[in-house]
Amino acid sequence: DTGVSQDPRHKITKRGQNVTFRCDPISEHNRLYWYRQTLGQGPEFLTYFQNEAQLEKSRLLSDRFSAERPKGSFSTLEIQRTEQGDSAMYLCASSDRDRPYEQYFGPGTRLTVT
Amino acid sequence: QKEVEQNSGPLSVPEGAIASLNCTYSDRGSQSFFWYRQYSGKSPELIMFIYSNGDKEDGRFTAQLNKASQYVSLLIRDSQPSDSATYLCAVRGTDKLIFGTGTRLQVFP
Repeated sequence: DTGVSQDPRHKITKRGQNVTFRCDPISEHNRLYWYRQTLGQGPEFLTYFQNEAQLEKSRLLSDRFSAERPKGSFSTLEIQRTEQGDSAMYLCASSDRDRPYEQYFGPGTRLTVT
Repeated sequence: QKEVEQNSGPLSVPEGAIASLNCTYSDRGSQSFFWYRQYSGKSPELIMFIYSNGDKEDGRFTAQLNKASQYVSLLIRDSQPSDSATYLCAVRGTDKLIFGTGTRLQVFP
């Protein structure tokens, strides 16, 4: 039983560049969540999918952020025109339909914007 | 007022002692509560969840929920140095989890 996987694990980019992260959930899980965590804070919700439908987006998710889950399996999170304030750990979590709030996190992608 | 509040710590306890971690929440209608453990540089790991008032035990961990007082706690019995981590409390919001900032626990030999 493989857990949630994320790629890449680390990303260093220059301000203004675009970056894309990938998340593969636990295979039988139909819900997929994206969170962002900065140092000393708890994870903050960004958006979530049920199957391929994006059902909620946080106001933290500015127009520069977009997420997709085209076939209801893996998901991508893209950040356009990165800013230094985007530096954070981006966490993906998944859950199954019967216990949607028991969320299991992947290892995260640490983004550093220079 | 933050939705989920935790003392940031650090909470220092000797090996073998009981560590008590507390969390309060603001939404009286909250129904589901979670404890995650996060080692430095790693992602959160779900260790306990509780939905009903009272205690729930799992090995060395006990989660306690008091909805009337709007607090949830986590007890770790026989604390080990390997328990040293940040413990995040999370409350179910609308289709997402709302996290506190976490309490750092240090267990010293």
